[in-house]
Amino acid sequence: RKEVEQDPGPFNVPEGATVAFNCTYSNSASQSFFWYRQDCRKEPKLLMSVYSSGNEDGRFTAQLNRASQYISLLIRDSKLSDSATYLCVVDYTGGFKTIFGAGTRLFVKA
Amino acid sequence: NAGVTQTPKFQVLKTGQSMTLQCAQDMNHNSMYWYRQDPGMGLRLIYYSASEGTTDKGEVPNGYNVSRLNKREFSLRLESAAPSQTSVYFCASTEGQNYGYTFGSGTRLTVV
Repeated sequence: RKEVEQDPGPFNVPEGATVAFNCTYSNSASQSFFWYRQDCRKEPKLLMSVYSSGNEDGRFTAQLNRASQYISLLIRDSKLSDSATYLCVVDYTGGFKTIFGAGTRLFVKA
Repeated sequence: NAGVTQTPKFQVLKTGQSMTLQCAQDMNHNSMYWYRQDPGMGLRLIYYSASEGTTDKGEVPNGYNVSRLNKREFSLRLESAAPSQTSVYFCASTEGQNYGYTFGSGTRLTVV
């Protein structure tokens, strides 16, 4: 079993749709959680950290469920520019054991 | 505001050749990392440097060496390239836990 698992997709949604991604992790000792966005042939860029109480940044909402060991990312009112791969990242100890999921591909269509 | 700068952006090597990938950050970060990314797989850690003067192996260190030249620079060397090292290589740095990484733009390496 992979340490961090994501549905590879692709998710194909129309503009304006709400889309949710889930990510599960296997090690309960995980400490920090992040979502990154990666555009085609570009570097990953930090989208948002994920806090235990859940957090929101504009159209993006991240949730953490430690009991079930999963994190989620919700994108509301999808834009064409949201088309990218979304990487789930779990950090165990101070950044020296950071596991990246393989990513979920999102296509937003007009 | 450069962030993390990697060179070169593209490289084609013949099997057995050597090369060094360069990385520099201007954010005064202590920790720096080298990752490789292959299709269908998450980024995998090759080596990292928690602070100037220290380096440690990551998940896939075989065939690579690193040098933390100073606080800004962290280089990755392939001594004898193999086709299995065809990949996209990313350098990253971080201010610390809970801050996430800043990545360079990547090096696309093909070994033939």
